[in-house]
Amino acid sequence: QVQLVQSGVEVKKPGVSVKVSCKASGYTLNTYGISWVRQAPGQGLEYMGWISTYNGDTNYAQKFQGRVTMTTDTSTNTAYMELRSLRSDDTAVYYCARAGAVAGTRWFDPWGQGTLVTVSS
Amino acid sequence: EVVLTQSPGTLSLSPGERATLSCRASQSVTSNYLAWYQHKPGQAPRLLIYGASNRVTGIPDRFSGSGSGTDFSLTINRLEPEDFAVYYCQRYGGSPPYTFGQGTKLEIK
Repeated sequence: QVQLVQSGVEVKKPGVSVKVSCKASGYTLNTYGISWVRQAPGQGLEYMGWISTYNGDTNYAQKFQGRVTMTTDTSTNTAYMELRSLRSDDTAVYYCARAGAVAGTRWFDPWGQGTLVTVSS
Repeated sequence: EVVLTQSPGTLSLSPGERATLSCRASQSVTSNYLAWYQHKPGQAPRLLIYGASNRVTGIPDRFSGSGSGTDFSLTINRLEPEDFAVYYCQRYGGSPPYTFGQGTKLEIK
């Protein structure tokens, strides 16, 4: 059974970083890409970016460029998303999802269960 | 950047009725790389349709997708109580970013 399991709830102060993990099971991580999507309270789904789990190529949505880094560890079948310089409007549920091995070739399925990140002083 | 506009924002229907949700793109969607997702509170989004009209294995056949180019739709026949949720369309092909529509909330009338 293909599954993505994310790390738990995070509470952070403004200005610091958060790193969310996404562990894949039921398939080999480097055969598909991983995308990250977030949903702020009361808002819709927002695409953050994609990473090739094969060679580490990334594309980040312009809004997050310079603040986000997506990485993978194929030895543990885990993808990571780090967001820096957190602000209160980064409070959201962050999702990982399996995507195409090449950017722009596949839908997002399955999704992780989501990780709530709360940014508050 | 390709913008997806979904309509209506909210759709109020009763179980047993038919729902038609629209998704319009600001530019033609490459190879009809358009997906639909169902999202319920506290759950992960669930893929329903990919390639504009291909239903995912295990999704009931009352769900169907259609359209091409810039105009797409999701139809849900004979609404069941578990169908009431928020639905998003997404362009997943071509040049990034792979944006989502703003969502249509399907609520019980």
